[in-house]
Amino acid sequence: GAGVSQSPRYKVAKRGQDVALRCDPISGHVSLFWYQQALGQGPEFLTYFQNEAQLDKSGLPSDRFFAERPEGSVSTLKIQRTQQEDSAVYLCASSLVGGLAGTDTQYFGPGTRLTVL
Amino acid sequence: AQSVTQLGSHVSVSEGALVLLRCNYSSSVPPYLFWYVQYPNQGLQLLLKYTSAATLVKGINGFEAEFKKSETSFHLTKPSAHMSDAAEYFCAVTTNNNAGNMLTFGGGTRLMVKP
Repeated sequence: GAGVSQSPRYKVAKRGQDVALRCDPISGHVSLFWYQQALGQGPEFLTYFQNEAQLDKSGLPSDRFFAERPEGSVSTLKIQRTQQEDSAVYLCASSLVGGLAGTDTQYFGPGTRLTVL
Repeated sequence: AQSVTQLGSHVSVSEGALVLLRCNYSSSVPPYLFWYVQYPNQGLQLLLKYTSAATLVKGINGFEAEFKKSETSFHLTKPSAHMSDAAEYFCAVTTNNNAGNMLTFGGGTRLMVKP
């Protein structure tokens, strides 16, 4: 069975450009998470979807970051007017259930490495 | 609020030696705890998780961890290191939350295995 996939794997952008990062979760998974991993650090939460509903976006660092999951499957993380501090690996994870399921395992994709020049 | 501290950003052991990676957590409610491993240019892979059942949790690749509430710890161990264990290890915590179960990660520990 296919795991979580992300594309592109690598993205180089000039400062000020807009980028879009795609996540394909495991089929049937209700929950989808985006995390940002800076070099040498642990991942940090950005946003969470339960099906198509974005229930938590408290981790998005600025209004330049926007995420959507319109049909409850594929998700896109968009960063407008990229800045050098946006350079990081962006990880997507999905899990089978939502809500009060702290024990539910999150399955991670390989990430997209974004470099902003 | 919840947080995780991993003591030692780098740990080096000899092949065949005991592996001990430390993790301490802070949580105002009962936590669920996870250890993930990350190989270069790959995503995170779950090693094991504590879900309030047995306090000693066995995972893949011979790893295990023990939940100690009195010490707020969830250290990861393996009796005998293999070269293939060289990777970055992350401890993470979550709790039941109406808005979702996002993971809070520690800063990671890079394990190096010497021949």
